[in-house]
Amino acid sequence: DTGVSQDPRHKITKRGQNVTFRCDPISEHNRLYWYRQTLGQGPEFLTYFQNEAQLEKSRLLSDRFSAERPKGSFSTLEIQRTEQGDSAMYLCASSSDRGPIYEQYFGPGTRLTVT
Amino acid sequence: GNSVTQMEGPVTLSEEAFLTINCTYTATGYPSLFWYVQYPGEGLQLLLKATKADDKGSNKGFEATYRKETTSFHLEKGSVQVSDSAVYFCVSIQGAQKLVFGQGTRLTINP
Repeated sequence: DTGVSQDPRHKITKRGQNVTFRCDPISEHNRLYWYRQTLGQGPEFLTYFQNEAQLEKSRLLSDRFSAERPKGSFSTLEIQRTEQGDSAMYLCASSSDRGPIYEQYFGPGTRLTVT
Repeated sequence: GNSVTQMEGPVTLSEEAFLTINCTYTATGYPSLFWYVQYPGEGLQLLLKATKADDKGSNKGFEATYRKETTSFHLEKGSVQVSDSAVYFCVSIQGAQKLVFGQGTRLTINP
């Protein structure tokens, strides 16, 4: 399978704990995006990487959130001191700068539950 | 910023029925518009697109026309199938990279 993969698929954590999610984009894609989706809502943009450079961050990405893409391949999203309001599906997507900007390929998501 | 409002669900239809899912947008200028679909257990995927006013996007029997005068991009299909059961998102693009999603409409087709 050469699609976007995310790990883990599900994460249950207690309030105050730190969590880290991983995204592996399609191998030839140099753009990578993180979105957050809460129940009954559409995904909301969090941040975007072009290669290893983080070029845009949403106001939704508070100081407790950090994303990295150290070698321009996989990316990690870390949430520190989790809160119940962080419970959501975290989606990763990738695209190629040789293709249309809007054609983003999404992974299956990581569902986070904060208890 | 841009926003997208789409018809609330869930929508339940019988097989071969006609489908319309309404979508309107607000934006500065004329953003490209899309419909993404999420089938059960799968990731979001692009269904169709329209990059300028009066364009009609189409794929898998679905169509949507970019109407500048009504700021709409309604999704239609003449005869739905059980396999069309999914969540459908109307989407615009803001700036260079950011997809802006509607809240999604869950569609269930009964045989």
